[in-house]
Amino acid sequence: GQNIDQPTEMTATEGAIVQINCTYQTSGFNGLFWYQQHAGEAPTFLSYNVLDGLEEKGRFSSFLSRSKGYSYLLLKELQMKDSASYLCAGLYGGSQGNLIFGKGTKLSVKP
Amino acid sequence: DTAVSQTPKYLVTQMGNDKSIKCEQNLGHDTMYWYKQDSKKFLKIMFSYNNKELIINETVPNRFSPKSPDKAHLNLHINSLELGDSAVYFCASSQTDLYNEQFFGPGTRLTVL
Repeated sequence: GQNIDQPTEMTATEGAIVQINCTYQTSGFNGLFWYQQHAGEAPTFLSYNVLDGLEEKGRFSSFLSRSKGYSYLLLKELQMKDSASYLCAGLYGGSQGNLIFGKGTKLSVKP
Repeated sequence: DTAVSQTPKYLVTQMGNDKSIKCEQNLGHDTMYWYKQDSKKFLKIMFSYNNKELIINETVPNRFSPKSPDKAHLNLHINSLELGDSAVYFCASSQTDLYNEQFFGPGTRLTVL
């Protein structure tokens, strides 16, 4: 299989920085997505990494290491509205392959 | 304007019934998807479909079938509903394929009694 592992829950303080890690199996791997899902809502796209390195998009950055089967999502200057689940998803087998989601990391931002 | 819409938002039904969930996207995307999110919030792809090919996740029972009248619509038909089918079902679309970001509909919460 293509297990996608990420922590179940994390807590952080408003204004702080938090890093959400994701590990995945490298066999057949093509790319990695991060989605945000607020409670009771649909997932929304945050980032897509294919190459190694860090991609920055405003307060959110995503990192990928293909050789290590590792990614992280970095959230800076945390706001209360960032409280949500963050889903890591690995693309396997190409464009007609499969997108495997992790179980999500529920982030709670405290004042 | 809603990019990806689904109806109904809530669906409560008895075991053994047949039901459908409708999905429409106005983004001009080529590929649409159906996902199931269970009570543990685990999101799992069920189908991906474009005008050329239907790809079915092998773990999906054949009681589930997607129907696409045109490129903008992908409806989900479920026959002989079972208790374990209770979940939130999300429709999504992407411009061409799985390499692109997906836009999700608001979800349909299905409860089977």
